[in-house]
Amino acid sequence: AQTVTQSQPEMSVQEAETVTLSCTYDTSENNYYLFWYKQPPSRQMILVIRQEAYKQQNATENRFSVNFQKAAKSFSLKISDSQLGDTAMYFCAFMLDSGNTPLVFGKGTRLSVIA
Amino acid sequence: NAGVMQNPRHLVRRRGQEARLRCSPMKGHSHVYWYRQLPEEGLKFMVYLQKENIIDESGMPKERFSAEFPKEGPSILRIQQVVRGDSAAYFCASSPRFSEQFFGPGTRLTVL
Repeated sequence: AQTVTQSQPEMSVQEAETVTLSCTYDTSENNYYLFWYKQPPSRQMILVIRQEAYKQQNATENRFSVNFQKAAKSFSLKISDSQLGDTAMYFCAFMLDSGNTPLVFGKGTRLSVIA
Repeated sequence: NAGVMQNPRHLVRRRGQEARLRCSPMKGHSHVYWYRQLPEEGLKFMVYLQKENIIDESGMPKERFSAEFPKEGPSILRIQQVVRGDSAAYFCASSPRFSEQFFGPGTRLTVL
């Protein structure tokens, strides 16, 4: 079974600074996807970024980028130029690339951006 | 293209009552997933359905919980004889074939 671990329950960052959220996972499979979801106080799950395991290049989406280390099974999220609207819970998630399979989520990191 | 719709957004039930949660997937999506989020926890998979079929219900409790996705209409997650431990946010996600999942806004169930 796959597991996802987020070791930082809470983090804070000053506005305009950079913060990195950690995520490790465990799987014996070779083909999979990794995701970061944001859950603001509204509770809506918003996809921030996705990474295909077969791609060596790290995914980026504007201020969000990942550091994907497949051998180490590590998938960290970097948020640059943090904004107050980035305050939210952030969940790392794993999905096998074998047809439609469910997402496996970590427990989340609560990020607070401080003015 | 409307997103995934869930209703109700908030549902209050007394112990022993039934709860029915509805999910309308995005247009063109034939795969539906239900997840449960307990307070201060991540989402946990419950059940995966395609139209008229349950594909994987390994995360759903055997007792009191059921799910369906009929040919016409929304997917329904049904919880019979609710207990306080069922209080949680229930999320539905839909996807087209072999692709990422798009989440609805969730239904927050409170059992008194």
